[in-house]
Amino acid sequence: DQQVKQNSPSLSVQEGRISILNCDYTNSMFDYFLWYKKYPAEGPTFLISISSIKDKNEDGRFTVFLNKSAKHLSLHIVPSQPGDSAVYFCAASESGTYKYIFGTGTRLKVLA
Amino acid sequence: NAGVTQTPKFQVLKTGQSMTLQCAQDMNHEYMSWYRQDPGMGLRLIHYSVGAGITDQGEVPNGYNVSRSTTEDFPLRLLSAAPSQTSVYFCASSWDPIVTMEAFFGQGTRLTVV
Repeated sequence: DQQVKQNSPSLSVQEGRISILNCDYTNSMFDYFLWYKKYPAEGPTFLISISSIKDKNEDGRFTVFLNKSAKHLSLHIVPSQPGDSAVYFCAASESGTYKYIFGTGTRLKVLA
Repeated sequence: NAGVTQTPKFQVLKTGQSMTLQCAQDMNHEYMSWYRQDPGMGLRLIHYSVGAGITDQGEVPNGYNVSRSTTEDFPLRLLSAAPSQTSVYFCASSWDPIVTMEAFFGQGTRLTVV
């Protein structure tokens, strides 16, 4: 029973274009969401987060959108750069549980 | 500034052997956790700790033990290794997760059980 789903295992985008990575969740108690980026042979690194009281959060080229009614969040990267090529994980948590639930990841390839 | 350090980076075990994966952080974080990453499964929480002396189970705790005697260290013990425990293991730490959920991850330990 996967509570956090990333239905696209991979995505290819041209350099300079927008990358959109999607994530769906089933648990309506989740109220904090994060995105991590992972390069091969390294641990995940934090990218951006959003709490359920917001519907958008921006940090430079990265924007996360949250649609609570659809239980859906997305990560937009604009403009995409070759260095963005990595696996992206979304994660969700219910406040006070101290547990993150991760999706299965989406491998992004940005083509030069 | 080391962050989260995991040792060893690679390990091969025979079925039935026991071993301890080490994790240390130098950021004075109260919250620490262990994940395993398997192909097509994402990262799954094994055990976590909210402070020294306090541990709890995650999604997939069977076959693993943890203890937290200091703020800095959070070792993961495999009691009797099985091939199903072949995986990449990540340790993570964070500030008070009530305030922020951002976690800092180690570089991982790739474990193969034969």
